Amino acid sequence: QQQVKQSPQSLIVQKGGISIINCAYENTAFDYFPWYQQFPGKGPALLIAIRPDVSEKKEGRFTISFNKSAKQFSLHIMDSQPGDSATYFCAALTEGRQLTFGSGTQLTVLP
Amino acid sequence: NAGVTQTPKFQVLKTGQSMTLQCAQDMNHNSMYWYRQDPGMGLRLIYYSASEGTTDKGEVPNGYNVSRLNKREFSLRLESAAPSQTSVYFCASSEALRTQYFGPGTRLLVL
Repeated sequence: QQQVKQSPQSLIVQKGGISIINCAYENTAFDYFPWYQQFPGKGPALLIAIRPDVSEKKEGRFTISFNKSAKQFSLHIMDSQPGDSATYFCAALTEGRQLTFGSGTQLTVLP
Repeated sequence: NAGVTQTPKFQVLKTGQSMTLQCAQDMNHNSMYWYRQDPGMGLRLIYYSASEGTTDKGEVPNGYNVSRLNKREFSLRLESAAPSQTSVYFCASSEALRTQYFGPGTRLLVL
């Protein structure tokens, strides 16, 4: 049972463009929503995270938008760069339980 | 400060063979995790250890065993490898159940 659904599976964006990755969840008990970035041959690394009491969090070119009523959240990468090419995973967590990951989005930013 | 280290980096096994994947962290974290990553499936939790001396099953524990050797080390054992266990295995650690730090992964091929 996939509790966190992620789309698209792959995304190609031109340099300078906006990359948008979407996730939807089912369990309303989730209270922490991180995004992980993974480069080829490396382990995932925490990129940015949000709690459901805020609707948006921005760190540099990366922004999480959160819609609690729709049970959806998304990652926006502004001014996308070739160095952003990686696989991105959304995830969700409830206190005392474990992270549930989305299926991943492979982002390619063309120079 | 190496973070999370995993050995080996790559392994080829024949069906029925056994092996142990090693993981160590030097961040003094209490919690450690083992995940497997398969194409289109994201990361799935195999086992975790919330603290030294405790281990619990995750989403996909069948065919695996774990040992929390001490606070630093958490090993994953395949007693009788099967082709379905061909995957990339990641170890992670965290101080709280939120930000997890991942190792570089072990790529396992079972023939």
